Amino acid sequence: DGGITQSPKYLFRKEGQNVTLSCEQNLNHDAMYWYRQDPGQGLRLIYYSQIVNDFQKGDIAEGYSVSREKKESFPLTVTSAQKNPTAFYLCASSLPSTGWDEQYFGPGTRLTVT
Amino acid sequence: AQSVTQLDSHVSVSEGTPVLLRCNYSSSYSPSLFWYVQHPNKGLQLLLKYTSAATLVKGINGFEAEFKKSETSFHLTKPSAHMSDAAEYFCVVANYGGSQGNLIFGKGTKLSVKP
Repeated sequence: DGGITQSPKYLFRKEGQNVTLSCEQNLNHDAMYWYRQDPGQGLRLIYYSQIVNDFQKGDIAEGYSVSREKKESFPLTVTSAQKNPTAFYLCASSLPSTGWDEQYFGPGTRLTVT
Repeated sequence: AQSVTQLDSHVSVSEGTPVLLRCNYSSSYSPSLFWYVQHPNKGLQLLLKYTSAATLVKGINGFEAEFKKSETSFHLTKPSAHMSDAAEYFCVVANYGGSQGNLIFGKGTKLSVKP
């Protein structure tokens, strides 16, 4: 089955630690995205990547970093500089031929930092 | 600039009755509009997409939405609610004026379905 996997589903970290969230897709999509979701809010774009070895900041990139060394993988690191890291993180991908804006989402990772 | 406003944060219906989830949009361009659904602790699933072809868009699971330019609305409807429809629904506009890849999400409408 083609799809997007995110691991782990739940992640707990102590304040001051960096943490990396995994996102893998086997849809052969060119573009990948990271969003953050807070209760009662819509999703906000953190970073996106249209091709391997290239990525762009979204609306709330401060305190986050990404890499895109392989087409199928787009890991997100939440650094200690992120002031409010506790949130639900969603990864998505899209294929430009069907429209970059038609995005397919993974199941999400819920990060709790205490 | 693009934006969307979901007019209700919570809608409750009885099983078998119609569903109406309201969304107004603002866009400087001819917009691409979407509805996504999110079940608890899950990712988002695309319900339907409007891209200026037909104003009435049919989606999955019996949902449809009508694009009304004069009212700047894109309301989501379903004739008969099912228990499995209970979820959170997001109205989304593509932000062509901003970063490519930037979808602008409404704050969501939580749909409850009573037996």
